[in-house]
Amino acid sequence: QVQLVQSGAEVKKPGSSVKVSCKASGGTFSSYTISWVRQAPGQGLEWMGRIIPILGIANYAQKFQGRVTITADKSTSTAYMELSSLRSEDTAVYYCARDGSGYEGGLDYWGQGTLVTVSS
Amino acid sequence: SYVLTQPPSVSVAPGQTARITCGGNNIGSKSVHWYQQKPGQAPVLVVYDDSDRPSGIPERFSGSNSGNTATLTISRVEAGDEADYYCQVWDSSSDHPGVFGGGTKLTVL
Repeated sequence: QVQLVQSGAEVKKPGSSVKVSCKASGGTFSSYTISWVRQAPGQGLEWMGRIIPILGIANYAQKFQGRVTITADKSTSTAYMELSSLRSEDTAVYYCARDGSGYEGGLDYWGQGTLVTVSS
Repeated sequence: SYVLTQPPSVSVAPGQTARITCGGNNIGSKSVHWYQQKPGQAPVLVVYDDSDRPSGIPERFSGSNSGNTATLTISRVEAGDEADYYCQVWDSSSDHPGVFGGGTKLTVL
């Protein structure tokens, strides 16, 4: 059974950075794209970017270009999402999710979510 | 970037059929995926590639996609189906490859 387990909640100051981890188990990590999706309080889902672990290639939504970095460590089956220059509007639950087809399919497994609160 | 439009809310009585639409320019040429999200929980994939169901998803959930509209249909609606539903596509030619609709709140009366 595939599981994605994310790191715990974070409280950050405006202007700082946050790095969230997503550890996969029960599947072949490298073969599946991992996406990061966030959800602000009371709002919808917003796709941020993705990485293909086997290639180490990431691409990002234009909105987050220059502020987000997604990486993957194949040796530990862990993906990471780092968001910099945090502002209050970045307060959200951040999810990692696996692409079930490998690339551009449905996101079939999701992490439990990590709440990031940005507050002075 | 590509835009997906969903109605904010849909209401249906138990036992009836709910239809949630997702509009997009020539969306019929794309594969549409649907997610169910209950309060405080991560989203769950209920339909992928327009009309396929992951294992464990009831047959009551089905999907279709043609022209400018994709539809998630939930037959014999139950109280436990009350949730937010999101459609999603990939648009790799754009600067925003992953696209979600705004979400539809399904209320079971």
